[in-house]
Amino acid sequence: AQRVTQPEKLLSVFKGAPVELKCNYSYSGSPELFWYVQYSRQRLQLLLRHISRESIKGFTADLNKGETSFHLKKPFAQEEDSAMYYCALNNNAGNMLTFGGGTRLMVKP
Amino acid sequence: DVKVTQSSRYLVKRTGEKVFLECVQDMDHENMFWYRQDPGLGLRLIYFSYDVKMKEKGDIPEGYSVSREKKERFSLILESASTNQTSMYLCASSPHLMRETQYFGPGTRLLVL
Repeated sequence: AQRVTQPEKLLSVFKGAPVELKCNYSYSGSPELFWYVQYSRQRLQLLLRHISRESIKGFTADLNKGETSFHLKKPFAQEEDSAMYYCALNNNAGNMLTFGGGTRLMVKP
Repeated sequence: DVKVTQSSRYLVKRTGEKVFLECVQDMDHENMFWYRQDPGLGLRLIYFSYDVKMKEKGDIPEGYSVSREKKERFSLILESASTNQTSMYLCASSPHLMRETQYFGPGTRLLVL
């Protein structure tokens, strides 16, 4: 069975500090990993996916198959980054995404 | 721009009532999903549909049913609402060949008294 774990429910950092939101997964096959974000009073939306190897809003995430992790990182947090972040896994066997429990990021001024 | 709409933002129902949550998407997407979102539990898939009249159970289908009579519309039905179904319900859609890129609706916050 596939599982996504986000060990931190809340992460609080000061503006300009580095931030890392942790995501670990368990899946026996070759997964596709994603980060979704929900800003206050907005819809959940895709932030980035590991296959694109892109940087969105200064965020990057590297898939580490050895550690089964897909941590989201940003070197200098901004107040507008405050949001709920969800890590998700697609098992490629169907249409379903499995989401983690979410981490609320608070960036303080 | 993809638009996914949900019939209600807030809903208050009594235990035992039958509840309908409607979701409509305007991008001709094949796939549609219903999730519930609870603090600490993230999003959990209730049901999804990959075509008209087709449905598949997700992780937590008990107490729910769905209906997809038209491609653009996916309904979630609580046959007899219970207090443990108080939650935020999110609908999403995605195109067939980009299944993982899901577009979400604004959500319906349901309170069952």
